[in-house]
Amino acid sequence: DVKVTQSSRYLVKRTGEKVFLECVQDMDHENMFWYRQDPGLGLRLIYFSYDVKMKEKGDIPEGYSVSREKKERFSLILESASTNQTSMYLCASSFWGSESSSYNEQFFGPGTRLTVL
Amino acid sequence: GQNIDQPTEMTATEGAIVQINCTYQTSGFNGLFWYQQHAGEAPTFLSYNVLDGLEEKGRFSSFLSRSKGYSYLLLKELQMKDSASYLCAVRDSNYQLIWGAGTKLIIKP
Repeated sequence: DVKVTQSSRYLVKRTGEKVFLECVQDMDHENMFWYRQDPGLGLRLIYFSYDVKMKEKGDIPEGYSVSREKKERFSLILESASTNQTSMYLCASSFWGSESSSYNEQFFGPGTRLTVL
Repeated sequence: GQNIDQPTEMTATEGAIVQINCTYQTSGFNGLFWYQQHAGEAPTFLSYNVLDGLEEKGRFSSFLSRSKGYSYLLLKELQMKDSASYLCAVRDSNYQLIWGAGTKLIIKP
């Protein structure tokens, strides 16, 4: 079974703190993703990565950065946390696939509920 | 712009059938996914459609009409454990997933 783990289920930080969220997958997936999920909104993509040391901006990258030094690990960094970054953060991974006939569905971690005070 | 529309909330009775609709407008189409998400948990994959028609998987079926930009998820013989949010997502021409806001399904005894 695919397993995607995230470093914390719940996190409380103060405004201005630097926050690290870690994600690890054990299925040798090429792709990794960071989303945030807020009530009434769909999953919004923050950043994704197709390979080690590669990163691409998603729809809402402002205020975030990422790091992928190893294939299995993808970190999300909030350089200076703000209250509007209070959210549920979901990490996902999938195989690389450029054909629509391939499922290549994304597998999600359990999420980190971050509260910024 | 890209848009996925689903009803916000639906209520159904245990043992009944419910259909959750999803309409989409995206730049290109490379498949449509349905995910289930129980409260406080991660989304889990349910189904994938890339060709028109119905895909059946046990109590769950998913239908796609690419010409209409429309899909539905059909849940039969509803059980209390089916109470969850159901997320529709379309893979666009860049192979990125565009997500709907999800439909919260409430099952009543």
